[in-house]
Amino acid sequence: AQSVTQLDSHVSVSEGTPVLLRCNYSSSYSPSLFWYVQHPNKGLQLLLKYTSAATLVKGINGFEAEFKKSETSFHLTKPSAHMSDAAEYFCVVSETNRDDKIIFGKGTRLHILP
Amino acid sequence: EAGVTQFPSHSVIEKGQTVTLRCDPISGHDNLYWYRRVMGKEIKFLLHFVKESKQDESGMPNNRFLAERTGGTYSTLKVQPAELEDSGVYFCASSPGFSGANVLTFGAGSRLTVL
Repeated sequence: AQSVTQLDSHVSVSEGTPVLLRCNYSSSYSPSLFWYVQHPNKGLQLLLKYTSAATLVKGINGFEAEFKKSETSFHLTKPSAHMSDAAEYFCVVSETNRDDKIIFGKGTRLHILP
Repeated sequence: EAGVTQFPSHSVIEKGQTVTLRCDPISGHDNLYWYRRVMGKEIKFLLHFVKESKQDESGMPNNRFLAERTGGTYSTLKVQPAELEDSGVYFCASSPGFSGANVLTFGAGSRLTVL
């Protein structure tokens, strides 16, 4: 069975500074990993996905994440935060090539300080 | 292409009443999922349809919840009778098929408030 842990429920950064949202996963098989974002009163939008290809994955809006098997991590980063990045971010795991349910982390709310 | 559409966006009902949520997936997507987020907690899986069949309904909380997907197109999720703890946001998602890494496209969610 798989699981996912988002280590911070809230993260605050100043505009223009780097963003780091942490995610650790557990999976018995080769995992697929995703980051989704939810802006207020909006649906969940896919930011990026890892599916056993390149370990450094680039997503939309300047976000990227690196799959590190040795650390079982898939942290989300962005070099320079923008006010519009304020939202809730979800790390998601599923097991590749298995018809299994997709598991969400508890979410990290990102606050951008002016 | 049109995205996943959910209706209503917000429903306010009294305890004991019935509510039906609807999800229209992306056309041609065989997989349809329902998820729920209650009171700011994590998003939890409810069930998964493959076409019109329930592939996995292990996340359904109790028998007050009934999901259907007649004809393998849109899906409904009925809560009858609704209880206070059913309040939350119900998300629907769809994906094109069992292709290894299914990427889900989510709807905007239906917010349910039970008074």
